[in-house]
Amino acid sequence: QKEVEQNSGPLSVPEGAIASLNCTYSDRGSQSFFWYRQYSGKSPELIMFIYSNGDKEDGRFTAQLNKASQYVSLLIRDSQPSDSATYLCAVDYGGATNKLIFGTGTLLAVQP
Amino acid sequence: DTEVTQTPKHLVMGMTNKKSLKCEQHMGHRAMYWYKQKAKKPPELMFVYSYEKLSINESVPSRFSPECPNSSLLNLHLHALQPEDSALYLCASSQVRSRSMNTEAFFGQGTRLTVV
Repeated sequence: QKEVEQNSGPLSVPEGAIASLNCTYSDRGSQSFFWYRQYSGKSPELIMFIYSNGDKEDGRFTAQLNKASQYVSLLIRDSQPSDSATYLCAVDYGGATNKLIFGTGTLLAVQP
Repeated sequence: DTEVTQTPKHLVMGMTNKKSLKCEQHMGHRAMYWYKQKAKKPPELMFVYSYEKLSINESVPSRFSPECPNSSLLNLHLHALQPEDSALYLCASSQVRSRSMNTEAFFGQGTRLTVV
């Protein structure tokens, strides 16, 4: 089992819809979870982080964490074409270090 | 300010050359990272420094040599690279993880390296 897994996509949604991105991780000791957005040819940009079970909302973005199921998700409401990018889930692997490990990323395409 | 600055932005080097990549941050972060990213792949962790000491080396070949001269600077020295080492090299920084400290990592714009 890979340390951090994501569906590579592409995930295609119409403009204005909700995009749902999912991530699972293998290490039960992980405590910190991050979502990055990466446009083609650019570096990753942090958009959300979550440390506690439950939901965390920031504007159009909601991160959801379920440590018992080792699952973290990102919802993007009112998706815009400018949201089209690769979304990377990252996990502070092992819990006790700064070993930040990335999933393979999900390519999101928002259709106008 | 969440800026991490990497230089150069682009680098072309021969297999016998020696070059260095540089990274600088002034956010007071004490953890700094080097990642390698190939096209259509996620960033792959290479090294982590915590409090200016190397804490993680992900079995990276010795032709890559990291250095952390002070809490704001991180270098990656390159020597005798192979064409397959061509990639985007990303630097990031964060707080060192503790129970009371958030550890969001911020990335620089990267150095696009081509080995010929």
